[in-house]
Amino acid sequence: DTGVSQDPRHKITKRGQNVTFRCDPISEHNRLYWYRQTLGQGPEFLTYFQNEAQLEKSRLLSDRFSAERPKGSFSTLEIQRTEQGDSAMYLCASSLGVSGRPGELFFGEGSRLTVL
Amino acid sequence: KNEVEQSPQNLTAQEGEFITINCSYSVGISALHWLQQHPGGGIVSLFMLSSGKKKHGRLIATINIQEKHSSLHITASHPRDSAVYICAVSNSGGSNYKLTFGKGTLLTVNP
Repeated sequence: DTGVSQDPRHKITKRGQNVTFRCDPISEHNRLYWYRQTLGQGPEFLTYFQNEAQLEKSRLLSDRFSAERPKGSFSTLEIQRTEQGDSAMYLCASSLGVSGRPGELFFGEGSRLTVL
Repeated sequence: KNEVEQSPQNLTAQEGEFITINCSYSVGISALHWLQQHPGGGIVSLFMLSSGKKKHGRLIATINIQEKHSSLHITASHPRDSAVYICAVSNSGGSNYKLTFGKGTLLTVNP
């Protein structure tokens, strides 16, 4: 297994367009997370899946954002009607969580979004 | 006040120096993570600890639960250690899967 992979690595789009990012976690990991990171800041939590269930969404995730993990494997994060403020690095991470205990997180390389 | 505070924000060292980065947090935690991020993106998990001390190569991480404080030490620093080091905590309770991150410490090690 090659770890967590994200695609695309870089995306430049015009304001108002829709973009979709994909994350392939480590295969046996049941937990998958999306984070957003802007320059000079630590990552901010966006959403979390346990298997295919989306258990929590941050208030940062406006109704223009939607995430899915349809079969409990890969996940997609879609941003509709992009705004310049959406420009950031979108990070995906996965872990093997056992009930009541957090697992070690493995991050992908991130997808950098630039909205012109 | 952020739940996770790191110091210093920036650190410049000469090759070979002993490095310490500090992290303080204000919430109950189930685990604390030290992460490394190189320019351009990718984050690598260095340590996950909930008590005591862990060592991996030249890296040492300690945590004091009572004082809500953790330190990351790098012995015999090398220019390849230059990166952003991020402290993050898993909150105790039902949301222990969700990390709260510090803003990171930018370490530059000069040859």
